[in-house]
Amino acid sequence: DAKTTQPTSMDCAEGRAANLPCNHSTISGNEYVYWYRQIHSQGPQYIIHGLKNNETNEMASLIITEDRKSSTLILPHATLRDTAVYYCIVRTALQGAQKLVFGQGTRLTINP
Amino acid sequence: DTEVTQTPKHLVMGMTNKKSLKCEQHMGHRAMYWYKQKAKKPPELMFVYSYEKLSINESVPSRFSPECPNSSLLNLHLHALQPEDSALYLCASSQFKPTGGYEAFFGQGTRLTVV
Repeated sequence: DAKTTQPTSMDCAEGRAANLPCNHSTISGNEYVYWYRQIHSQGPQYIIHGLKNNETNEMASLIITEDRKSSTLILPHATLRDTAVYYCIVRTALQGAQKLVFGQGTRLTINP
Repeated sequence: DTEVTQTPKHLVMGMTNKKSLKCEQHMGHRAMYWYKQKAKKPPELMFVYSYEKLSINESVPSRFSPECPNSSLLNLHLHALQPEDSALYLCASSQFKPTGGYEAFFGQGTRLTVV
């Protein structure tokens, strides 16, 4: 599976857009980019995923570069409740069970 | 119902005890997972079940014994644990999305302390 690289920590002001980068330069053509987050003392929460195209849902937007070697998760209007560790994960989409392996992630702190 | 329910939420056990962690989901997901998470570290995959059969064991010590009695339930049996096994144990299930890729749902975890 492709390895991902994320900054260890980031800060963002409340109400501003939070842009979290992820490098996955060894990604292969059939691998998806997934984002999960983990708020303190809770289980991880799915945010969004994509293959090639940019994706948007009610939580966030995912921008994937044309060469697919990096991506950015965008939280458009960050709130204090968005303070969490954000994980970028690259995985193939095979039928059946999936080996979802977490890296170190980015600790995002939203400041008032 | 989009919940994965884990019981108990907290567990303290001695090194000679036998205990079990339970996980339940009613979303019809056929893949279920156990993860272990130490403080300030990312979750580490332990076991993966697919259609009630163990498909991945990440070289977990035999003092951890998983069981999937049916498609909704996942257990983790614990025996002769060590203090270093103290951690948050997370259960998850996942579904293959029609648009491609997976979405995994995690429980809130069982915080285990081995004394």
